[in-house]
Amino acid sequence: EAGVAQSPRYKIIEKRQSVAFWCNPISGHATLYWYQQILGQGPKLLIQFQNNGVVDDSQLPKDRFSAERLKGVDSTLKIQPAKLEDSAVYLCASSLRPREQYFGPGTRLTVT
Amino acid sequence: LAKTTQPISMDSYEGQEVNITCSHNNIATNDYITWYQQFPSQGPRFIIQGYKTKVTNEVASLFIPADRKSSTLSLPRVSLSDTAVYYCLVGDGTGTASKLTFGTGTRLQVTL
Repeated sequence: EAGVAQSPRYKIIEKRQSVAFWCNPISGHATLYWYQQILGQGPKLLIQFQNNGVVDDSQLPKDRFSAERLKGVDSTLKIQPAKLEDSAVYLCASSLRPREQYFGPGTRLTVT
Repeated sequence: LAKTTQPISMDSYEGQEVNITCSHNNIATNDYITWYQQFPSQGPRFIIQGYKTKVTNEVASLFIPADRKSSTLSLPRVSLSDTAVYYCLVGDGTGTASKLTFGTGTRLQVTL
């Protein structure tokens, strides 16, 4: 069974630029999550989708971050404009059961 | 108020049993206890989950006392490859009200 795919794996941008991350969840998983993990900290949930509807986006900085899940499958997370403090690993996860999440390898973002 | 409290780090020798305790004094009736493992440069990996008493799988055991205010992840006979960060999460994972929140985790270092 293929795992959660994410791209790109690494991205370096300057502050105030825009960036987008892509995630392809495990086939059949209705729930998709985006997390932000800053070095030395645990992952922080940004947004949770159930099919293509948003379940929880309470910790998503909506002035600069946006996410969508088209047709209940793939998802993109966008940052516009990026700030230095957005430097982190962005993890995508999917699940069939609420507490058993499968994570992708993540995208390491560096904002200079 | 943090939902969970766990030691920041632990050290062990290869072949020993390791027990990592997590405190969750404010656990709600519908909450489950879930543990994840994270290796450097990888996303977290689901290890085990439980509601009460004891749960065992091929990787670990999870002990939960009757009051459910704490839990202990037990890793039998650890090896060098068990060196990772272990996260204890409490929630039912079904939405904003009881989302799964990663803390800073316990960094386990296994040596020869």
